[in-house]
Amino acid sequence: GAGVSQSPSNKVTEKGKDVELRCDPISGHTALYWYRQSLGQGLEFLIYFQGNSAPDKSGLPSDRFSAERTGGSVSTLTIQRTQQEDSAVYLCASSPRGYGNYGYTFGSGTRLTVV
Amino acid sequence: AQKITQTQPGMFVQEKEAVTLDCTYDTSDPSYGLFWYKQPSSGEMIFLIYQGSYDQQNATEGRYSLNFQKARKSANLVISASQLGDSAMYFCAMRENSGYSTLTFGKGTMLLVSP
Repeated sequence: GAGVSQSPSNKVTEKGKDVELRCDPISGHTALYWYRQSLGQGLEFLIYFQGNSAPDKSGLPSDRFSAERTGGSVSTLTIQRTQQEDSAVYLCASSPRGYGNYGYTFGSGTRLTVV
Repeated sequence: AQKITQTQPGMFVQEKEAVTLDCTYDTSDPSYGLFWYKQPSSGEMIFLIYQGSYDQQNATEGRYSLNFQKARKSANLVISASQLGDSAMYFCAMRENSGYSTLTFGKGTMLLVSP
């Protein structure tokens, strides 16, 4: 596609429920990244995919968080048993390569609210 | 250790004036890239400008220029002739080029442009 697409744009969920956030990167971009941005804060790195594998998932806050990428394209970030502290904007970005001086193109994010 | 430091939580500037947003970084990798992103209230992350560590000249993109001082490890963003639409959060980021690496972001600077 022309840009990075994320869905849903907004998600309100009850504490304890599972949620899935989807990211569709720019076609041909091999690298995909998930970040989290809490209200008024900077970007917190969660996980990085190169193709379908995740060389760096050091930013996942707990084992309730998992992510996968299939076909070198779409990625899904899953949060199990959501907690109120999971409320944030989840941003996905893609890049032509996972190395070198390539910048990221970001999606518009998914605003997650846990009530 | 924090790799990207933005010491100005907020900055004010009058329309048509120039403003400098500070960014210092820390890396032992001789090859790296520095990026600036703009995040307006809509939440999207907009790429502004890029500087490579081996670039001899400071990067410029329209009204944006990057004041790169390698020995000081600083990469300040200069916005000339500020416009009301420049009011936004600005993030400095760095990517090291040794192998796979991710963009590390600073905490951001909120810029407000007044008429």
